[in-house]
Amino acid sequence: NAGVTQTPKFRVLKTGQSMTLLCAQDMNHEYMYWYRQDPGMGLRLIHYSVGEGTTAKGEVPDGYNVSRLKKQNFLLGLESAAPSQTSVYFCASSRSGPREKLFFGSGTQLSVL
Amino acid sequence: DQQVKQNSPSLSVQEGRISILNCDYTNSMFDYFLWYKKYPAEGPTFLISISSIKDKNEDGRFTVFLNKSAKHLSLHIVPSQPGDSAVYFCAASEMHSNSGYALNFGKGTSLLVTP
Repeated sequence: NAGVTQTPKFRVLKTGQSMTLLCAQDMNHEYMYWYRQDPGMGLRLIHYSVGEGTTAKGEVPDGYNVSRLKKQNFLLGLESAAPSQTSVYFCASSRSGPREKLFFGSGTQLSVL
Repeated sequence: DQQVKQNSPSLSVQEGRISILNCDYTNSMFDYFLWYKKYPAEGPTFLISISSIKDKNEDGRFTVFLNKSAKHLSLHIVPSQPGDSAVYFCAASEMHSNSGYALNFGKGTSLLVTP
């Protein structure tokens, strides 16, 4: 009963380094999302996908790239990490759009020094 | 600019009493609202939703009320239990949004239910 799995759970990067956050869902959902949560802020959408092979920008896409080569996986990449990208990242999936309930992963705590 | 506002960062309620969490919004085009609950070190989980064609939706101990004229919704938890202690996020969406599939989340209200 995995649901949405994110790896890694924690990561520390130096400014300028790159990394990829992995998200996998086993519910056969079409829609997948990447959100970030900053202290004192609500969740903000970075990128999303409405199906395999598709991606689109959300509210705060700058500095991130995504790929959805397989329906069950949604990858979030940081090409050159900046301290402003220190945040908790949540992946989510849903059967259709965001008016269907989202299923979230447990999050990735990323610190960029 | 925050379009969904949860003006109470925290709330403390005694076990068995009613918890009322409030949410205000500024965008009159929002027509669907959701509440999510989040425990520490976990992702948010869906709690309850309401469409703008309704003014109330109930699911067990949880009821959401929507007042469109006041652009206000509230989540009632009756009776409150210690396991309800979590951060509650209000979220809103509009059918035809220029921001695509973004849900607009509030900053959250931390609920503490004391025994």
